[in-house]
Amino acid sequence: KNQVEQSPQSLIILEGKNCTLQCNYTVSPFSNLRWYKQDTGRGPVSLTIMTFSENTKSNGRYTATLDADTKQSSLHITASQLSDSASYICVVSAVYSGGGADGLTFGKGTHLIIQP
Amino acid sequence: NAGVTQTPKFQVLKTGQSMTLQCAQDMNHNSMYWYRQDPGMGLRLIYYSASEGTTDKGEVPNGYNVSRLNKREFSLRLESAAPSQTSVYFCASRSRQGRDNSPLHFGNGTRLTVT
Repeated sequence: KNQVEQSPQSLIILEGKNCTLQCNYTVSPFSNLRWYKQDTGRGPVSLTIMTFSENTKSNGRYTATLDADTKQSSLHITASQLSDSASYICVVSAVYSGGGADGLTFGKGTHLIIQP
Repeated sequence: NAGVTQTPKFQVLKTGQSMTLQCAQDMNHNSMYWYRQDPGMGLRLIYYSASEGTTDKGEVPNGYNVSRLNKREFSLRLESAAPSQTSVYFCASRSRQGRDNSPLHFGNGTRLTVT
């Protein structure tokens, strides 16, 4: 069964500090991994996508990594800001095989709180 | 360009009442989805529609029905609401199921309480 595990479940850090969120997956055959940010009271929004051939990708202060061999991804946030307070959800996509399969497996998210 | 619009934003129902959650997208996406989000459970797929005219069950379809009215609209119906259906419901869309790299675009949710 395809699974996505995220850690930690929740994290509190001071403004200006860095943090790293983890995502481990057992999804096969792997297509891509996407990180979403969900602000309180809003729907998730895509931050970045990692495909099989990519190791690192940056989006401003967010840097995602992917190790396809160990089936692990991380999301590193540099110089955190109050606006980074949100839930971060890891979603792994299996290769589309047709037949109406959705192919998406969601992690339960990491709830990040940035304190001033 | 509004993206994905959900109505209503909030709803309180009594056990046994029925209601329909509405969702519309203006991005010409083929695929549309309904998820529920509960504390500690993450987002779970209720139903999805890969294209106009087709619908498929997701992980937690019991107690729900859906209608893909046209390419833009995908509604979720609770025929006889139960307290276990208290949740936040999200509608999402993406451009084409076959393109695995396309992101999901979410609405801002409907917060439903069943008493």
